[in-house]
Amino acid sequence: DAGVTQSPTHLIKTRGQQVTLRCSPISGHKSVSWYQQVLGQGPQFIFQYYEKEERGRGNFPDRFSARQFPNYSSELNVNALLLGDSALYLCASSWGQLAGSGNTIYFGEGSWLTVV
Amino acid sequence: AQTVTQSQPEMSVQEAETVTLSCTYDTSESDYYLFWYKQPPSRQMILVIRQEAYKQQNATENRFSVNFQKAAKSFSLKISDSQLGDAAMYFCAYRGTGTASKLTFGTGTRLQVTL
Repeated sequence: DAGVTQSPTHLIKTRGQQVTLRCSPISGHKSVSWYQQVLGQGPQFIFQYYEKEERGRGNFPDRFSARQFPNYSSELNVNALLLGDSALYLCASSWGQLAGSGNTIYFGEGSWLTVV
Repeated sequence: AQTVTQSQPEMSVQEAETVTLSCTYDTSESDYYLFWYKQPPSRQMILVIRQEAYKQQNATENRFSVNFQKAAKSFSLKISDSQLGDAAMYFCAYRGTGTASKLTFGTGTRLQVTL
């Protein structure tokens, strides 16, 4: 079975532009989360979506938004890009919303965003 | 808010030897989960081991084991018989049992494995 897949792998944007990152969860998983990992730091939680509804949001500005589609894939949008948005954006999926013994979170390989 | 602290930015171990990575956390919750993730140069986060806070027994996964001290809020990872493929960034992470599937990560420890 395919793991969590993300696209694009790498992209370069200019300050002020907008970017859309895409994620397909593992088959059967209904929960998708997004994380931002700045170089040299651990990932920071941005959003969780479950059954197409936002279920959690981290401490990120309103320039960051996301949505989940009926097939449980997800998009992360970032508007008015800043240099500080340069990071690895990780998508993670799990079958359920809540923490539980069987509800392991699996990560994709990420999308590298460079803002120049 | 929960915090996770990894005080060792870098560690080095010789092949076949044992190394321990440290992690402390802060939380007011009584039930939660703790994890160690490995991030190789490919950048994909790979789950190494998990520990449920309600379990007193330390988790083990082959060469990987943890020392979970709930009262001290300490969660260290021991890697036995280290292999070259163990070289990577290791992140300690916390997950509560609230409504959001949120992992709180530490800053990571870079593990080097030498011959």
